[in-house]
Amino acid sequence: DVKVTQSSRYLVKRTGEKVFLECVQDMDHENMFWYRQDPGLGLRLIYFSYDVKMKEKGDIPEGYSVSREKKERFSLILESASTNQTSMYLCASSLEALGDSPLHFGNGTRLTVT
Amino acid sequence: DAKTTQPPSMDCAEGRAANLPCNHSTISGNEYVYWYRQIHSQGPQYIIHGLKNNETNEMASLIITEDRKSSTLILPHATLRDTAVYYCIVRVKGGNQFYFGTGTSLTVIP
Repeated sequence: DVKVTQSSRYLVKRTGEKVFLECVQDMDHENMFWYRQDPGLGLRLIYFSYDVKMKEKGDIPEGYSVSREKKERFSLILESASTNQTSMYLCASSLEALGDSPLHFGNGTRLTVT
Repeated sequence: DAKTTQPPSMDCAEGRAANLPCNHSTISGNEYVYWYRQIHSQGPQYIIHGLKNNETNEMASLIITEDRKSSTLILPHATLRDTAVYYCIVRVKGGNQFYFGTGTSLTVIP
């Protein structure tokens, strides 16, 4: 089975801090994604990556950046955390860029910014 | 990508089949239908997907109408552990966007 591991289940950070959310997948998947999930808004795509060092903006990239230095690892960075970034963050991966392979999700990181 | 419409909530008796409907009337020919579920405090779990033929795996069956404008996810013998929010998504082959709506909250009743 595909395993997508997010480094923290819960994080509490202060406003203005730089925050790193880490995600690792163990199935040599090409694509990796970061979503945030908020009540009533569903899942919204922040960034995704097709390959190492490649990144594309999703629907809500403002206030975030990403890094993919190795194929298995995709990091989400909050440069200066704000209270409106309090959310559940979900990492996902999929096998290939051009096929119909599904997304596989990690269990999420619940971030609270105070 | 086409949008989907699902009922906000459903109940199902334990041991009975749970049939979860989804409308995707604007689906185009190269868009797949995917189903996920999310149990509280966990990430979404992939269930099944298909293009136009019915599909079955160890978790569920997916029935897609001939005109592809709607589909039904069937959990053949629902258990209490199937209580979750179920999402129906359409996505173009090779597309990088999975648009999750608000889904159907399924409650399996003992």
